[in-house]
Amino acid sequence: GEQVEQLPSSLIVQEGASVLINCSYTDSASVYFPWYKQEPGKRLQFIIDIRSNMERKQNQRLTLLFDKKTKHLSLHITATQPGDSAIYFCSANSGTYQRFGTGTKLQVVP
Amino acid sequence: EAAVTQSPRNKVTVTGGNVTLSCRQTNSHNYMYWYRQDTGHGLRLIHYSYGAGNLQIGDVPDGYKATRTTQEDFFLLLELASPSQTSLYFCASSGEGAQNTLYFGAGTRLSVL
Repeated sequence: GEQVEQLPSSLIVQEGASVLINCSYTDSASVYFPWYKQEPGKRLQFIIDIRSNMERKQNQRLTLLFDKKTKHLSLHITATQPGDSAIYFCSANSGTYQRFGTGTKLQVVP
Repeated sequence: EAAVTQSPRNKVTVTGGNVTLSCRQTNSHNYMYWYRQDTGHGLRLIHYSYGAGNLQIGDVPDGYKATRTTQEDFFLLLELASPSQTSLYFCASSGEGAQNTLYFGAGTRLSVL
């Protein structure tokens, strides 16, 4: 079945810095890749997605890049704020449900 | 915004105990899911359903049963709980399955002693 890997597992950055979170998947049949954010003690919330017929998608400070050939995604967050501190999950659809990466814990310090 | 409510929020039981986790969604979604979240594993799918009376297995179904009684309600049952089932459980719903956004509940933290 689909395997989703995510790196790094954690990172700490200064407020205002940019971060890059990488995600790779194995199933070439996957076509939909949503990302979710989990703030401390809160539920996961959708933040951005991309489909396999696109290479890039932007939503304010979030940019999602997709490389179908290498089965790789990158989430770029610019001008980070303390409110961006959370665990970020990538996921890939596989058949009828989404499989998740192991998560990246981001801490933004003032 | 989508509303998915889980209960209880916290539960402690003993090994061999019987536990039922409840989930209700008010979004008129057909698909509902149960995931468990563990450090180092991310979220792993236990069971899912695409309508009342329908049940499908996910990636880690052993030791779990589920029932979908109505479009709104999805239950996860642990009939002989084991310490390995200590975890944070999330319910989610979506409109059309894997190709759409998941809406998550707030989670149930289960401890099996």
